Amino acid sequence: ETGVTQTPRHLVMGMTNKKSLKCEQHLGHNAMYWYKQSAKKPLELMFVYSLEERVENNSVPSRFSPECPNSSHLFLHLHTLQPEDSALYLCASSQEYSFSPLHFGNGTRLTVT
Amino acid sequence: AQSVTQLDSQVPVFEEAPVELRCNYSSSVSVYLFWYVQYPNQGLQLLLKYLSGSTLVKGINGFEAEFNKSQTSFHLRKPSVHISDTAEYFCAVSEGGGSQGNLIFGKGTKLSVKP
Repeated sequence: ETGVTQTPRHLVMGMTNKKSLKCEQHLGHNAMYWYKQSAKKPLELMFVYSLEERVENNSVPSRFSPECPNSSHLFLHLHTLQPEDSALYLCASSQEYSFSPLHFGNGTRLTVT
Repeated sequence: AQSVTQLDSQVPVFEEAPVELRCNYSSSVSVYLFWYVQYPNQGLQLLLKYLSGSTLVKGINGFEAEFNKSQTSFHLRKPSVHISDTAEYFCAVSEGGGSQGNLIFGKGTKLSVKP
C-alpha cells in the first residue's frame, strides 16, 4: 500500500470545466510535488512545495493552480484545460534535504475532451 | 545543464535471461543517481540509488547498477529476469543539495519479459 494517495484515479473533463486533483501523504514528509507524465516524454516536474513554501515553476501554464494547505495535503486545481493536457498526473512526497527517495502516488489519469 | 539519456525505449527479453538497461547522463559537477520502476497502473518507486562510496549499488528485486564516472553511465542490470519485472524503468540524476526537486528523469525504458 502506498503512503501517498491520489484521487480520483481517472478524470474526464471538458475544456470549460473546473476540477481538482487531490493528494494526501501519510509519511510525515516535508515536501510534496506534482509531476506530469505524458507518453514518450520525460517526467515533467510541475510544482514543488518544500517546507510548506511553493517553488515557482514559470513554465507551467496558469490553467494549472496548486494549493498546499498543510504538509500532508496537496491539490492541483484545473480550469479551461486543453486536449494536450491529457496525461497521467503524479503526486510525490519526500523528506527534503536528506536524499530520501520520492514516494509516488498511483496517479490520476486525466482526459480532456 | 544536466540531462539523462536512456538509449533504449523498449527492451524485450525472455524469462530467466540477463538484462541491462542503459543510462547515460550529462553533468559538469558531482551527481547523485537513481533508478525508479513503474509497474502498470502505478506510480514510480525507488529501485536503487548512488550517492557516494562503492560504485556498484544493489537494489530491490535483485537489480544492481554500476556508476562509471569516466563514461558518465549508470546502467541497470539483473542476471535473471522474471515475468513480474515487466515494467517501465526510469533513470534520474540530481546535482545535489539533497532536494528531490532537482531530479531530472530520463524518458524511460519499457522492459517486457516474455515466457
